[in-house]
Amino acid sequence: DVKVTQSSRYLVKRTGEKVFLECVQDMDHENMFWYRQDPGLGLRLIYFSYDVKMKEKGDIPEGYSVSREKKERFSLILESASTNQTSMYLCASSLSRGLVEKLFFGSGTQLSVL
Amino acid sequence: GDSVTQMEGPVTLSEEAFLTINCTYTATGYPSLFWYVQYPGEGLQLLLKATKADDKGSNKGFEATYRKETTSFHLEKGSVQVSDSAVYFCALVGGGATNKLIFGTGTLLAVQP
Repeated sequence: DVKVTQSSRYLVKRTGEKVFLECVQDMDHENMFWYRQDPGLGLRLIYFSYDVKMKEKGDIPEGYSVSREKKERFSLILESASTNQTSMYLCASSLSRGLVEKLFFGSGTQLSVL
Repeated sequence: GDSVTQMEGPVTLSEEAFLTINCTYTATGYPSLFWYVQYPGEGLQLLLKATKADDKGSNKGFEATYRKETTSFHLEKGSVQVSDSAVYFCALVGGGATNKLIFGTGTLLAVQP
């Protein structure tokens, strides 16, 4: 089975800190995604990547950036954390560009910004 | 743009009750439709899918039929179990060039023994 691993289950940071959320997948998937999950809003796509060093903005990229230096690793960066970025962050991957629907998700990182 | 609307939860049922979770969509072209499930403390996982009108997706006793005339993809199960307690997300991939998975807001199902 595909395994998508997120580095932290819970994270507490202070306003203004730079925050790194790491995600690693072990099945050589081309596509990787970052979502945030908020009650009543469902999942919203922040950024995604179809290949190493490639990135594309999702629906809510403001305040975030990403890095994909290696195929298996996709990092989400909050340059200056704010309280409205308190959320559950979910990383996902899928095999290829033509198979975006079969996503494999990590367990999520619950980020609290104080 | 493309969107998915789900019934609000929580849905609370007794074990062995019949389940329906409503989902309707708006999309250009011919989207593919999905149900994902999120068990407590876990990430989402694909439950079932349907890629064209009148297709029925099924898995683990759950079913959903792609109804183009009503733009719906309602999730059903004849007899729920406590282990089905989870959040269920309806989703679509648009028929256009967007190639993104768009999720509904999720519906919490709580099954009581």
